[in-house]
Amino acid sequence: ETGVTQSPTHLIKTRGQQVTLRCSSQSGHNTVSWYQQALGQGPQFIFQYYREEENGRGNFPPRFSGLQFPNYSSELNVNALELDDSALYLCASSLAGGSVKNIQYFGAGTRLSVL
Amino acid sequence: AQKVTQAQTEISVVEKEDVTLDCVYETRDTTYYLFWYKQPPSGELVFLIRRNSFDEQNEISGRYSWNFQKSTSSFNFTITASQVVDSAVYFCALSEAERYSGAGSYQLTFGKGTKLSVIP
Repeated sequence: ETGVTQSPTHLIKTRGQQVTLRCSSQSGHNTVSWYQQALGQGPQFIFQYYREEENGRGNFPPRFSGLQFPNYSSELNVNALELDDSALYLCASSLAGGSVKNIQYFGAGTRLSVL
Repeated sequence: AQKVTQAQTEISVVEKEDVTLDCVYETRDTTYYLFWYKQPPSGELVFLIRRNSFDEQNEISGRYSWNFQKSTSSFNFTITASQVVDSAVYFCALSEAERYSGAGSYQLTFGKGTKLSVIP
């Protein structure tokens, strides 16, 4: 069974740039959620994708956007980067439906530094 | 609004000691799930346990045990005979009941985490 994989592992950008982070979900999972984890904090929910549509969103501005592809992989896009966007971005996959519904399995994250 | 509080920011114990990590939550939902995750230095959040709001039975898994008390809105985690490999940041999380039929839209609300250091 393949776990959740994220790429790249590290990224350095400058303020105002745009970034795309990628996530491959665990085999058999159809739902992907993205979280932002600032240093020393718990992860904060950005949004979730199910059947290629956004299916819930946290308190993040529209410059945070995403996609889910037919193979359930996903992208997180952030436009007009700000210094406060520096964080670990975590992707989690899960299976909608069934007894194991609602358990989210996480990747190792992408650490984004905005200079 | 949901909220999870982990009052202990950092804990240090000597190997083989028992340690309890506290978690207090707030929610207006009657149906919800509680979770514990472990985050080692590699960054990946490792799922440990899920409980639903209707199941207040305590659970034991090896050296790990969990005490869920709805009356005090707490879901505490105890590690017995701690080991160096237990050193990590531990997060308690809460998710609300399903809102959207079929899709199960939910989000995890995390506490700020407790950093556990087990000293050999």
